[in-house]
Amino acid sequence: GNSVTQMEGPVTLSEEAFLTINCTYTATGYPSLFWYVQYPGEGLQLLLKATKADDKGSNKGFEATYRKETTSFHLEKGSVQVSDSAVYFCALSLNNAGNMLTFGGGTRLMVKP
Amino acid sequence: EAGVTQFPSHSVIEKGQTVTLRCDPISGHDNLYWYRRVMGKEIKFLLHFVKESKQDESGMPNNRFLAERTGGTYSTLKVQPAELEDSGVYFCASSQGVPGSYTFGSGTRLTVV
Repeated sequence: GNSVTQMEGPVTLSEEAFLTINCTYTATGYPSLFWYVQYPGEGLQLLLKATKADDKGSNKGFEATYRKETTSFHLEKGSVQVSDSAVYFCALSLNNAGNMLTFGGGTRLMVKP
Repeated sequence: EAGVTQFPSHSVIEKGQTVTLRCDPISGHDNLYWYRRVMGKEIKFLLHFVKESKQDESGMPNNRFLAERTGGTYSTLKVQPAELEDSGVYFCASSQGVPGSYTFGSGTRLTVV
C-alpha cells in the first residue's frame, strides 16, 4: 500500500535557525509529492509540491526535492520565523487513485523569538 | 473567490447522538473529498465525490457514516450514532481534478463525550 512517514514533533527552533523535516514514502506507483501546512485555527494549505523525480518545490522560503532513489521529500528552510509555527504534513497522490492524498502524521513546528 | 466552507467549526455531542457536518466546496469544483484526523494521528481519506457520484468511499470506517452530495454542490457527512472513537477533525477539500490542487476547509472539530 501507500504510506508516508515523517518525523515526529514537536520541533522547537529559535528564530533564524535552519529547519529540516524529514519525509519518506512508499507507493505502488509514481506519486506526486506535497507539503501542506496548517496554521493555528486555519485549514490545510498547500505549501509546495513536486510531480517527478529531481523536481524541487519551493514557496515562502521552503524547499523540498523529490528524491526517487531514497523515496524522500524532506522539507527545508534556511531561516525560520515565528510566523512559520504550524503543523506540517507530507503527502502523496497517485493519479490512478482519484487524486486522493495519503498523509503523514504531521510535524508540529514551534519557533521561538 | 470564496474558499471551501465547513460548518460547524466545532461540535460536541454525546455518544449515541447524531451529527451532520456540512461542506460547501468552491463553486465549479467537481471533486469533493472528506478526510479526518483522529487523536493527532495522520489525516486519513474517507471518500471522494465527482459531482454527485461517490467515486471512492473506501475510507469510510463503517456504516454509521453516511455522505451525500445532492446536486453535486454541497456535501454532508452524517454520523449516526456517534461513538467516542469518532472524535477528531473532519476536513473537506475540493478540486477541479488537477493533482495536488486541493483547497481545504478549516475543518470541523467533533468531540463525542
